[in-house]
Amino acid sequence: GAVVSQHPSWVICKSGTSVKIECRSLDFQATTMFWYRQFPKQSLMLMATSNEGSKATYEQGVEKDKFLINHASLTLSTLTVTSAHPEDSSFYICSARGRAGTRFNSPLHFGNGTRLTVT
Amino acid sequence: ILNVEQSPQSLHVQEGDSTNFTCSFPSSNFYALHWYRWETAKSPEALFVMTLNGDEKKKGRISATLNTKEGYSYLYIKGSQPEDSATYLCAHLPGGSNYKLTFGKGTLLTVNP
Repeated sequence: GAVVSQHPSWVICKSGTSVKIECRSLDFQATTMFWYRQFPKQSLMLMATSNEGSKATYEQGVEKDKFLINHASLTLSTLTVTSAHPEDSSFYICSARGRAGTRFNSPLHFGNGTRLTVT
Repeated sequence: ILNVEQSPQSLHVQEGDSTNFTCSFPSSNFYALHWYRWETAKSPEALFVMTLNGDEKKKGRISATLNTKEGYSYLYIKGSQPEDSATYLCAHLPGGSNYKLTFGKGTLLTVNP
């Protein structure tokens, strides 16, 4: 149980274009989803937290107009990298916790991640 | 310690060896410590969520201990198998953080058959 599906697994796009990454909870309702980014040899860094039906909360230094997050339903959150540049090339991964995970001692359920390369 | 630090960065062991690695985290304002196993091309899988000082959890051949006063957790793998090869991540959750986990860089374990 608690499967999170993330698509695409990898994407190559040209500088200036936008890329959308989807994150779906397949067998539970994800009230909160988290988007992380990981650069080579670095740790997972939280970009933003999204709650279903409300605006995402972005971490300091993450441009909300560049990284658009939509969490329109309890099973789907999307991250759109707008006007992508080579420095946005990174590994992006989503995670979710469901209604049962309202206590802070429940684990996160992760997608497989998306490798974005901007040329 | 201000960040989450894991050591070693990587290690190689032979099949059948037992091994352990460390996660250090800020000891003030502690709420929980998570351990995840992350195999290549897969999603991180939760191993343990630990909250109490002195806590000890076990899942098969893997176990973990927690010392919140000094800010460290150990992960032990007994009788390592090639399928244990993965990156092991720990993440610290401070109190009042609204579930903002801070991750370490991970320990990459390779078990040679």
